[in-house]
Amino acid sequence: ETGVTQTPRHLVMGMTNKKSLKCEQHLGHNAMYWYKQSAKKPLELMFVYNFKEQTENNSVPSRFSPECPNSSHLFLHLHTLQPEDSALYLCASSQEPAGVYEQYFGPGTRLTVT
Amino acid sequence: DAKTTQPNSMESNEEEPVHLPCNHSTISGTDYIHWYRQLPSQGPEYVIHGLTSNVNNRMASLAIAEDRKSSTLILHRATLRDAAVYYCILGAGNMLTFGGGTRLMVKP
Repeated sequence: ETGVTQTPRHLVMGMTNKKSLKCEQHLGHNAMYWYKQSAKKPLELMFVYNFKEQTENNSVPSRFSPECPNSSHLFLHLHTLQPEDSALYLCASSQEPAGVYEQYFGPGTRLTVT
Repeated sequence: DAKTTQPNSMESNEEEPVHLPCNHSTISGTDYIHWYRQLPSQGPEYVIHGLTSNVNNRMASLAIAEDRKSSTLILHRATLRDAAVYYCILGAGNMLTFGGGTRLMVKP
């Protein structure tokens, strides 16, 4: 247990569906992150939030829409995804910017787009 | 972004020390050196990080070269549960940029 939880753990969705991934951290951290891990590829940073404000968007397509209502919760809203979006989506948090502080990762949501 | 270079894979025997190397010749003065590992079917796990001095914690030791252009993660006694992909990352600003890592295999 890292103190970062993600739901659901597995998700299968069609290309026309809308779904949301949820992340919650119980560590009192101020920064939260979404990463994508495709098969046989390094982790790709998608979004960074610091004190609820988005500070990084790593050229992510608009069919992925993040939301950070408070420092403990992070959502990733998904709509009209493509099969190549199938991947493991990981959430992480850190006390403050991850360059200096360690990140704690959740277990991930395994997403399959059909 | 400053980059790191790691061997694709390494093998170790159980209960022996493991030294995982990392080169980061373009490191800047404010970049922290981070190590994470990822076990199969899990999210990455923080191992250790440092700036200039060697660091020790309950999981591992981090040895940083005097010129900071390379570092070594030391697992003092490898166990089968240490089999994972180990990532050496330079941390700057908000971000950690993961590379391919080193796949460590531990033989009983």
